[in-house]
Amino acid sequence: AQSVSQHNHHVILSEAASLELGCNYSYGGTVNLFWYVQYPGQHLQLLLKYFSGDPLVKGIKGFEAEFIKSKFSFNLRKPSVQWSDTAEYFCAVMLTGGFKTIFGAGTRLFVKA
Amino acid sequence: GAVVSQHPSRVICKSGTSVKIECRSLDFQATTMFWYRQFPKQSLMLMATSNEGSKATYEQGVEKDKFLINHASLTLSTLTVTSAHPEDSSFYICSARGSGDAYNEQFFGPGTRLTVL
Repeated sequence: AQSVSQHNHHVILSEAASLELGCNYSYGGTVNLFWYVQYPGQHLQLLLKYFSGDPLVKGIKGFEAEFIKSKFSFNLRKPSVQWSDTAEYFCAVMLTGGFKTIFGAGTRLFVKA
Repeated sequence: GAVVSQHPSRVICKSGTSVKIECRSLDFQATTMFWYRQFPKQSLMLMATSNEGSKATYEQGVEKDKFLINHASLTLSTLTVTSAHPEDSSFYICSARGSGDAYNEQFFGPGTRLTVL
């Protein structure tokens, strides 16, 4: 069965620290990949997406992610986090064809000021 | 940009009653909408895929007779929780698949918090 694994459920960082959130998926076909962010009390917002082409994609607010096909991974990175990045981050994989999207369990990031 | 709205944002109902949640794509036509359920501190679980003018496709384990989905127009899908029970209390989120250049993207609504007493 298809699945999406996010390795870290809770992450606590100090401001200016670097961030990397892991995401792996299990599906042998073509996928579209997404990272979403959910700030407290708000709805999901798209951070970045990968469909094809350059496997290093840049999103909003200084986030980037790298698709490594051989590892079925799509890790999210940010060189220097800010207090305002405190939120929950979801990795999502859209299976092309049916467009069914599977979400990871989410990672709660808390950034200490 | 593509905006999806949901109504109501919060609803409290008595056990045994039915509740309807609306999902609208405000500035684009959505042939496909998705309904998710999010339990506290958990991820989104896809409940069903709704295609305009046809029956919804439900995920395994989701009762189609309990969670009725209607997608009667290109901008509106509704989820009706029938004979609601306290265990149905949850956060329900819809999304709409984009059109044109955004065909491979989903745009999410703000969610509806359902509390069944």
